[in-house]
Amino acid sequence: SAVISQKPSRDICQRGTSLTIQCQVDSQVTMMFWYRQQPGQSLTLIATANQGSEATYESGFVIDKFPISRPNLTFSTLTVSNMSPEDSSIYLCSARRATNEKLFFGSGTQLSVL
Amino acid sequence: AQTVTQSQPEMSVQEAETVTLSCTYDTSESDYYLFWYKQPPSRQMILVIRQEAYKQQNATENRFSVNFQKAAKSFSLKISDSQLGDAAMYFCASRNFGNEKLTFGTGTRLTIIP
Repeated sequence: SAVISQKPSRDICQRGTSLTIQCQVDSQVTMMFWYRQQPGQSLTLIATANQGSEATYESGFVIDKFPISRPNLTFSTLTVSNMSPEDSSIYLCSARRATNEKLFFGSGTQLSVL
Repeated sequence: AQTVTQSQPEMSVQEAETVTLSCTYDTSESDYYLFWYKQPPSRQMILVIRQEAYKQQNATENRFSVNFQKAAKSFSLKISDSQLGDAAMYFCASRNFGNEKLTFGTGTRLTIIP
C-alpha cells in the first residue's frame, strides 16, 4: 500500500489570497491526481499531475486557478489561486503506482474561504 | 460520458445486521471498473471493493460483497454483520479501462445503530 500525506489538514483563508496544498507519497508512483469535494457533494477530478510536464485538467478547471506542480515521482502541489468562498471544499490528493492498480487517497485538506 | 447514481442519501442498519447500498451507472464502454469507497469522518477515501466489468463473478472482501448486474448497469454493495466502524459515507465509482478518471456517485451516509 501507499501512504499519502497532505498538508495542511485544514485552513481558513481570506478572499483573494492563494493556498498551496502539498501531497507527499511514501513511495514512487506513476500517477497522481487532485480531486475536489464540495460541501455535501461527491468528488470531482480537477487534474492529473504529470511528472515533468504540465498537468492535464478536466473540463471546468483551468491552470490559472489551480496551478499544479509535480517535480518528482513522490510529490505534488495544488495551489488554489485568488480564492473566493465558492472554493471552500475538501481537496484530496490521490496516487496510483501503475495503471489498473489500486488508487490511494490522502486524508484531504479542508479549505474554508471567508 | 460516465454517470454514477446513488439513490439513497442515507441508510441505517442495526449492528450485526445486513445492509445493501444501491448504485447504478451508465457508460458506453465495454471495459470498465467499478468501485465502492468508504469515507469516514477522517475524510480519507478507503477502497472497500473493486469489480472488473469483464468478470462475471461478484467480488467479495470479507463482510463486503457486491451484486454486479452488467445488463442492468447495477452495482450494489452488501455489508454483512454490520459493525460500528462501518459508519461512514459510501461512494460508488466507475472508471473506464485505459482512462484514469474516476467518476463518483453522490454518496450514501450509513449509520450503524448499536
